Formats: sequence, C-alpha cells, structure tokens
Amino acid sequence: GNSVTQMEGPVTLSEEAFLTINCTYTATGYPSLFWYVQYPGEGLQLLLKATKADDKGSNKGFEATYRKETTSFHLEKGSVQVSDSAVYFCALGYGAAGNKLTFGGGTRVLVKP
Amino acid sequence: GAVVSQHPSWVICKSGTSVKIECRSLDFQATTMFWYRQFPKQSLMLMATSNEGSKATYEQGVEKDKFLINHASLTLSTLTVTSAHPEDSSFYICSAGTTNNEQFFGPGTRLTVL
Repeated sequence: GNSVTQMEGPVTLSEEAFLTINCTYTATGYPSLFWYVQYPGEGLQLLLKATKADDKGSNKGFEATYRKETTSFHLEKGSVQVSDSAVYFCALGYGAAGNKLTFGGGTRVLVKP
Repeated sequence: GAVVSQHPSWVICKSGTSVKIECRSLDFQATTMFWYRQFPKQSLMLMATSNEGSKATYEQGVEKDKFLINHASLTLSTLTVTSAHPEDSSFYICSAGTTNNEQFFGPGTRLTVL
C-alpha cells in the first residue's frame, strides 16, 4: 500500500534559520504530492503541491520538488519566521475528485524569536 | 478561499450515547467529502469517503455501523458516532473535495467520551 514517512519533530529553530523537513513516500503509479500546514487551533491548509516528477511547488517562501528517483518531496524554507510555527504534513494522493490522501506523521516546527 | 466548517468544535458525552458531527462546505459544492481521525501527536487516518447521495466507502478496519456517515447534499455531510466509548475519543476532521483535485479541511471536532 501507499505510505508517507516524514521526519519526526519537534524541530526547534531560531528566526531566520533554514528549515528542511524530509519526506519520502512509497506509492504505486504516479501520485500527486502535497504539503499541508496546521496552525494551532486551526484546520489543515494546503501549503503547496506538485503533480508530476520534477515539478516544484512553492508558496509563502516554502519550496518542495517532486523527486521520483529518490521518492522524496522535502520541504524547505530559507528564512523562517515565528509565524511559521505549526505542524507540517506531507501527503500523497491520486486523481481528480475523490482524491484519497495518505498522510505522513506530521512534523511540529517551533520557531523562536 | 474555500471554507469548510464543522460543528460542534468540541463535544463531551457519556459512554453509550451517540454523537453527530456536521461538516459543511460554506461557499462551494463538494461532490466528495472525507472523514479523518487524528490521534494526539499523530497523523490523520482516513476513515471513509462519501459522495453525495450514495453510501460511504469505509477504509479497512473502520466499523461502518459504528461510524455512520450521511452525505445528504453537496454542502453537508454528517458523521454519527454511535454508542460511543472512551476509545472513540479523538479529533475528527472532515474535508471537502473539489473537481480541481483539491481538498479543503474543516477545523476539526474534538470528541471526549467519559
């Protein structure tokens, strides 16, 4: 079956530090890959996505590249802010409507001023 | 952006009672809705997928008679936890799927069964 593995947290950083959260996956076929973010007390929000190999998703200074050869979709941000403190989930899914998502375990990120 | 609401946001009930959780897409129509369960500090586990007007499809290991899902309209799906027990205590999250290959998540409902 499909699975997503991401690094365990918590990850504690200082403001303006570089952030990397590793994500690897096991899947059949050609899934789309996603990063979701969950801020305290809120629901999951789509942060970025990539639908095919070598695509790069980007949003709010975050980037992730769909690497089929290494089955990875690592999330990076060059300079984090306190407001980036949240839980980040890597996920994969298929198809159009009815896109069943498989999530990784989530990584809690805490950015200190 | 698309907004999905859940009601209630938290609920406490006695063991043996039933609890209904509503999930609404506020500004769009969702042909598919998903129900997830999230344990503390763990990931979301898909429980079931529901399409408007048809029976829900449950994931392996999820008891369909215990977790009743109704998707009566393109903007409303409900999850009823029947005869709830303490082990059903969890964070339940719904999402609404669009034909544009996106899911929009509700804020979740925390259920505590005493």
